[in-house]
Amino acid sequence: EAQVTQNPRYLITVTGKKLTVTCSQNMNHEYMSWYRQDPGLGLRQIYYSMNVEVTDKGDVPEGYKVSRKEKRNFPLILESPSPNQTSLYFCASRPTLQGGRVGTEAFFGQGTRLTVV
Amino acid sequence: DQQVKQNSPSLSVQEGRISILNCDYTNSMFDYFLWYKKYPAEGPTFLISISSIKDKNEDGRFTVFLNKSAKHLSLHIVPSQPGDSAVYFCAAGYGGATNKLIFGTGTLLAVQP
Repeated sequence: EAQVTQNPRYLITVTGKKLTVTCSQNMNHEYMSWYRQDPGLGLRQIYYSMNVEVTDKGDVPEGYKVSRKEKRNFPLILESPSPNQTSLYFCASRPTLQGGRVGTEAFFGQGTRLTVV
Repeated sequence: DQQVKQNSPSLSVQEGRISILNCDYTNSMFDYFLWYKKYPAEGPTFLISISSIKDKNEDGRFTVFLNKSAKHLSLHIVPSQPGDSAVYFCAAGYGGATNKLIFGTGTLLAVQP
């Protein structure tokens, strides 16, 4: 089954304790991204990756890091989490079309609800 | 600077009636628009899309209309069913270097039996 898998689904942590949220897709997509969803703000892009070893900042990258060492995985790293990073996080991937264009449709994981106390 | 806006946080509709969800945007350079549906505890799932060169796209009970002059798009669901109850996000995108998708804030649709 084609899917994007995030882990963990739920996480409660303390301020300053480094954490990683994993994301893996089995569709051989080159484009992957991370979003956070907050009430009244919708989905905002944190980071994206066009391909292996190619990553760039989205709209709200402060306090986050990513890596893309292999095509299927795109982990989100919070080196020193703070309470304002309490949010619902989604990983997404998009297919590559003929000619190298990125497909319009994004496939989302089930989300990770993070609480930083 | 909210480039994609959904001004109605919620909408309640009777089963069998039409649901109309609205979305406004500010950037005339967007190439395509999409609607996503999101159930609680799940990720958003793609529903329907429309290219900026079209004004209507239909898929079963779902139709998206695009009014470029007004920078407005809408999603029509006819007839509405209780299983359509979810949060609906509109999104807009353009190609170029980032291929970014910009999402609205979402509208919670409740279809009453």
